[in-house]
Amino acid sequence: GESVGLHLPTLSVQEGDNSIINCAYSNSASDYFIWYKQESGKGPQFIIDIRSNMDKRQGQRVTVLLNKTVKHLSLQIAATQPGDSAVYFCAEAHPNQGGKLIFGQGTELSVKP
Amino acid sequence: GAGVSQSPSNKVTEKGKDVELRCDPISGHTALYWYRQSLGQGLEFLIYFQGNSAPDKSGLPSDRFSAERTGGSVSTLTIQRTQQEDSAVYLCASSVTLASDKQYFGPGTRLTVL
Repeated sequence: GESVGLHLPTLSVQEGDNSIINCAYSNSASDYFIWYKQESGKGPQFIIDIRSNMDKRQGQRVTVLLNKTVKHLSLQIAATQPGDSAVYFCAEAHPNQGGKLIFGQGTELSVKP
Repeated sequence: GAGVSQSPSNKVTEKGKDVELRCDPISGHTALYWYRQSLGQGLEFLIYFQGNSAPDKSGLPSDRFSAERTGGSVSTLTIQRTQQEDSAVYLCASSVTLASDKQYFGPGTRLTVL
């Protein structure tokens, strides 16, 4: 079935380094993608989103890249900080499904001081 | 302004009991979503509302699960005759409108069925 999955379940980086979290999606009809950060015991927190008519979008210290040819999404975090340690989820939305999000399993990012 | 709120934050119940989970969306948000997150897993879509109507109930796991929304605001998710496999964190989200708009999540209700 359709799914959104992540390449790596865990990622460990050194403080100050850049982090890249990857995500593969299977439905070429998806037109909206979103990244969330979830800290332990909390609900997911919006990070950044991108629509399918774009291939790159930048926020504060974060960049999302979308490659529709290979159905790949990535989240880049610049100068990773200890406060970035969390589980990161990508999600996709289909245009005719009322905006419901299909989530991947998540990548746990651990930042070493 | 206030974000999405959910109550209770934790609920422990015995197998076979009914539970009600509440979600207060962000004021003015017309779309409301319920998701379930099992331990260490991603989020699983359950149901969404546009206003008070629920066009898509496809994610509800069984007929023991139901949800309603009144006044275009507060929503309740009811689980009847709870089972141990219902144990999870139930998350609510709201967005300004349906269809490709960012969803803001509440803190969730952790349900434990003994």
